[in-house]
Amino acid sequence: GEDVEQSLFLSVREGDSSVINCTYTDSSSTYLYWYKQEPGAGLQLLTYIFSNMDMKQDQRLTVLLNKKDKHLSLRIADTQTGDSAIYFCAETLGGATNKLIFGTGTLLAVQP
Amino acid sequence: GAVVSQHPSWVICKSGTSVKIECRSLDFQATTMFWYRQFPKQSLMLMATSNEGSKATYEQGVEKDKFLINHASLTLSTLTVTSAHPEDSSFYICSARDWTSGYEQYFGPGTRLTVT
Repeated sequence: GEDVEQSLFLSVREGDSSVINCTYTDSSSTYLYWYKQEPGAGLQLLTYIFSNMDMKQDQRLTVLLNKKDKHLSLRIADTQTGDSAIYFCAETLGGATNKLIFGTGTLLAVQP
Repeated sequence: GAVVSQHPSWVICKSGTSVKIECRSLDFQATTMFWYRQFPKQSLMLMATSNEGSKATYEQGVEKDKFLINHASLTLSTLTVTSAHPEDSSFYICSARDWTSGYEQYFGPGTRLTVT
C-alpha cells in the first residue's frame, strides 16, 4: 500500500541547518515533492526530485533521495524564522492519474 | 503564473444545509483538478480526482452523493458538500494540473468549512 511517514516535530535555532526526513513504501514513485504550509494557508511547492536522481539543490534547499531505503530528506541551510511552517513530503505514483500521496507532515519551529 | 484560487476562503453554515466551494485556475487550463480535505494538525487526504467533462473519481471511503464534484470547464471545478454536518468541518484544498508543464499540481489557498 501507499504510506508516507514523517517525524512530527523539529525545532532548530535561527541560522542552523534543518533536516526533515520522510520515508515512503511505494517503490513505483515517479516524482517526490516537498511542500510548505503556513498556518491557515494552502500548500506551496518548494522543490521536487525525479525518482532516478540522488540529489537536487536549489538555493538553500537540498533534497536527498535514497531509493534503496525509500528515504527522502529536505535540508534547509541557514534556517530563518520565516521557514517556520509544516512541511509535507509527497510522492506521485505511476499510472494515468498521478495522484499525490502526502506524508504526515513535520512542524518546523525556528527559534530566534 | 499557475495561480489557483478558491472561493470562499471560509464559510460557516448550519447543519443540514449545502455548501458549494469553487476552485479556479486563473492563468492556465486545468484538465485535471484534485480535491483534498485536511483535518486540524493532520495531512491532506485526497477525496477525488476530477477531469474536465467527465465524472469525478472518488477515493475509497468518500461518499460521492455527499461530496458532489463538477468540473464543467477547463478553469473551474466545484465541490458541493450536501446536507453538511459538524463532522464535515474541515479545511478543503483543491489543486489543478496543467498538462503543458508536466505533472506538477498547483494548490489553491484552501477553504475552511465550519458546520454548526
